[in-house]
Amino acid sequence: DAGVIQSPRHEVTEMGQEVTLRCKPISGHDYLFWYRQTMMRGLELLIYFNNNVPIDDSGMPEDRFSAKMPNASFSTLKIQPSEPRDSAVYFCASNEGSGHEQFFGPGTRLTVL
Amino acid sequence: SQQGEEDPQALSIQEGENATMNCSYKTSINNLQWYRQNSGRGLVHLILIRSNEREKHSGRLRVTLDTSKKSSSLLITASRAADTASYFCATDGNDYKLSFGAGTTVTVRA
Repeated sequence: DAGVIQSPRHEVTEMGQEVTLRCKPISGHDYLFWYRQTMMRGLELLIYFNNNVPIDDSGMPEDRFSAKMPNASFSTLKIQPSEPRDSAVYFCASNEGSGHEQFFGPGTRLTVL
Repeated sequence: SQQGEEDPQALSIQEGENATMNCSYKTSINNLQWYRQNSGRGLVHLILIRSNEREKHSGRLRVTLDTSKKSSSLLITASRAADTASYFCATDGNDYKLSFGAGTTVTVRA
């Protein structure tokens, strides 16, 4: 397996624009997680899915953020409209469930000007 | 909010020396995991220790867990330049979520 795949790897956009981040989890993993990493706040869990269903989105900062998982092999994290404070590295991870290690993607470095 | 807190925040050692870092947490856990992150990369899982285990080894890594003190330690023996990275502990509770600490940045000098 190629591991967790994320795209794009880098995204530079202007304030107010819509940003869509993409993730393909490892095949067979039932859980998918979206994290955000910044120097100030560290690694934060934004939302996670089980069998394509959002289970906990309490970490999503505000309504400008939304996430979907239309099928077992694809998820998106959308920010609309984007703001400079959204600049961060966004990671997607997947695993087989609690008690199992999480496999992280390489991340998307987002810069909002 | 972060459950685990690593100590120290940063560590600089000579190649060949051992590196020890600690993690403290606040609530009960099912297991505790350690991850490594090289600069500009994603996190890589190193080792998982369950709440009923006290010590675990993997290669040059040794992890201990003391649930009475709500703390864990990660020891890297005979460090190498390639061990230069940030190390994170993550606690796994009953809610399928991992809670990460702020990390320890380890620099191994040649």
